[in-house]
Amino acid sequence: AQSVTQLDSQVPVFEEAPVELRCNYSSSVSVYLFWYVQYPNQGLQLLLKYLSGSTLVKGINGFEAEFNKSQTSFHLRKPSVHISDTAEYFCAVSQGGGAQKLVFGQGTRLTINP
Amino acid sequence: EAEVAQSPRYKITEKSQAVAFWCDPISGHATLYWYRQILGQGPELLVQFQDESVVDDSQLPKDRFSAERLKGVDSTLKIQPAELGDSAMYLCASSLLPYTDTQYFGPGTRLTVL
Repeated sequence: AQSVTQLDSQVPVFEEAPVELRCNYSSSVSVYLFWYVQYPNQGLQLLLKYLSGSTLVKGINGFEAEFNKSQTSFHLRKPSVHISDTAEYFCAVSQGGGAQKLVFGQGTRLTINP
Repeated sequence: EAEVAQSPRYKITEKSQAVAFWCDPISGHATLYWYRQILGQGPELLVQFQDESVVDDSQLPKDRFSAERLKGVDSTLKIQPAELGDSAMYLCASSLLPYTDTQYFGPGTRLTVL
């Protein structure tokens, strides 16, 4: 069975600093990878996804992620964060090539300090 | 912008009572998902519909949970009887296509069982 590990449950950073949220997955086959964001009192919203092609994926709000097959990772990055980026971030994986559901990680709470 | 609607937003009930949650997906979305999100964890898929048919309910506790999407549009998730361990956020999502397509989430129903 697939699993997703988000290596940090909480990440505090200062405004305008860069940030990286780490995600590793376990799968021996091809995968589809996603990052979702959940702002306070709201539903989840897709930030970006990797299905195939370029391993560097750009998403909304200045976020990007890089698929690294050899390290089974899909880390999320932003070069300069804003107060409005304060939220919970979820990495998710779906096994490629067939009808497989999304499996979510436990989430990383990103807190931006002024 | 079209959104996924859910009601109620909050529900407090006593154990052994019955509860029901309603979801109205984005118009035209054939795939509908119900997730359970326990505090501090990522969402876990309970049931997935393609039109009115269930395609995955492997994680649905069928002795107490039921879900239906009779006309392939809106959906109801029911718990009877509720147990203390059912306290969680129940999220509904929809997508045009299953698995790799972007899932759009509603705001969720927060259930507290006393």
